[in-house]
Formats: sequence, structure tokens, C-alpha cells
Amino acid sequence: EIVLTQSPGTLSLSPGERATLSCRASQSVSSSYLAWYQQKPGQPPRLLIYGASSRATGIPDRFSGSGSGTDFTLTISRLEPEDFAVYYCQQYGSSPDTFGQGTKLEIK
Amino acid sequence: QVQLQESGPGLVKASQTLSLTCTVSGGSISSGDYYWSWIRQHPGKGLEWIGYIYYSGSTYYNPSVKSRVSISVDTSKNQFSLKLSSVTAADTAVYYCARAAAGIDYWGQGTLVTVSS
Repeated sequence: EIVLTQSPGTLSLSPGERATLSCRASQSVSSSYLAWYQQKPGQPPRLLIYGASSRATGIPDRFSGSGSGTDFTLTISRLEPEDFAVYYCQQYGSSPDTFGQGTKLEIK
Repeated sequence: QVQLQESGPGLVKASQTLSLTCTVSGGSISSGDYYWSWIRQHPGKGLEWIGYIYYSGSTYYNPSVKSRVSISVDTSKNQFSLKLSSVTAADTAVYYCARAAAGIDYWGQGTLVTVSS
């Protein structure tokens, strides 16, 4: 199975700053079938990005995804207070689907 | 708006079978190229994909649980179900049902299942 490693484990930033989250795969992700999710306490994850760079319905344009092969990035251009949460990447190009361990984005 | 809702016991004894049902509303489980999935999250931990079923009945399971898991679909009730046998404390988790295609775009709220000894 493809192992996804997210870094950093925790990212401490202030509102208005730019956040860059990394997801590295143990082998190439087929057809850039890579998604990003945001999860807040007590809630299910919310799809932000699919296909490595396509924003899901209703997702603000401050969220963007990039990358291919084994290296992917989620960028939040200007952090809003509601963006502080845990973020997960997922690959769905090779069964079984796998998730990264998560990056916690916390207020500095 | 598609909605998914998990239902089933919140407490299961060790060695028994965990059974959950997901009811889909706002859309037909038989329409479209969707994979109706089960995902779990151990307390305070990350996400683990358990498996999925296509409306036709074809399934795929995570090898980590493949010997113990079964997912079925009832298109007449617009539901799909999870059975996980021989549970242990390691199966204590929040279980989510979800709709997957390009990523997982709809999730249930999740249900905590605790395995007691």
C-alpha cells in the first residue's frame, strides 16, 4: 500500500499568514488521485481538494493544491480564524486508499 | 443535498460482530459512479479506510481487515451496511460512512463504537 507522510506534524501560524502543508507518498500516486481534507473536533472531514489541484464545491479560493508523483502541497494563502484545524491528505489511485497521519494547524 | 446517517449499537462485546447501517438520503445509492465507503478513526488518531461497495454489489476491502469485514448494499432501502467480526479493543473507533468518487465528498456524522471486554 502507498504510505503518505505529512509534514509538519504541527504548524503554528497567525491569522493572515500563509500556510504550506506537505504530503509525500512512498510511491507515485496514480493520475494525481490525491485529495485534501479539513477536520474540526467532533466533525467529519470536509473535502477541500481532489485530483491534487481541483477545489471541491464551495471551497474558498484561498485553498489551493499542487504537486504530482510523490510530492503534494496544500497552500492556504491567508489564514482565517476558521482554518485552524487538522488537515489530512488521501490517495485514491491505488487500493487500498490511504490517508496521511495529519497536520495540525494551530493558532500561534 | 446528499446526506448519510450511520446507525447501530454503540457498544459491542469483544469477539462479537460489529454491525452498522448507513442510510442515504437526497440521492439514490444506485445512481452514478460512486463508491459507498466505510472509514474509521481511532480516538485521537488518523483515518483508516475500511472498504467500499459499488451499487452493483462489487466490493473492495482493506487487507488489514479483509478477513473480518463484509459490506453489503440494499438498494431498495437506499442503505449499505458494515459487518466486522471478531472485534477487539483495537476496533474501538468512530465509524463513518461516506460517498467516494474523486475524493470523499459526503460523510456521515460518524458513530462511536466501543468494544468492551
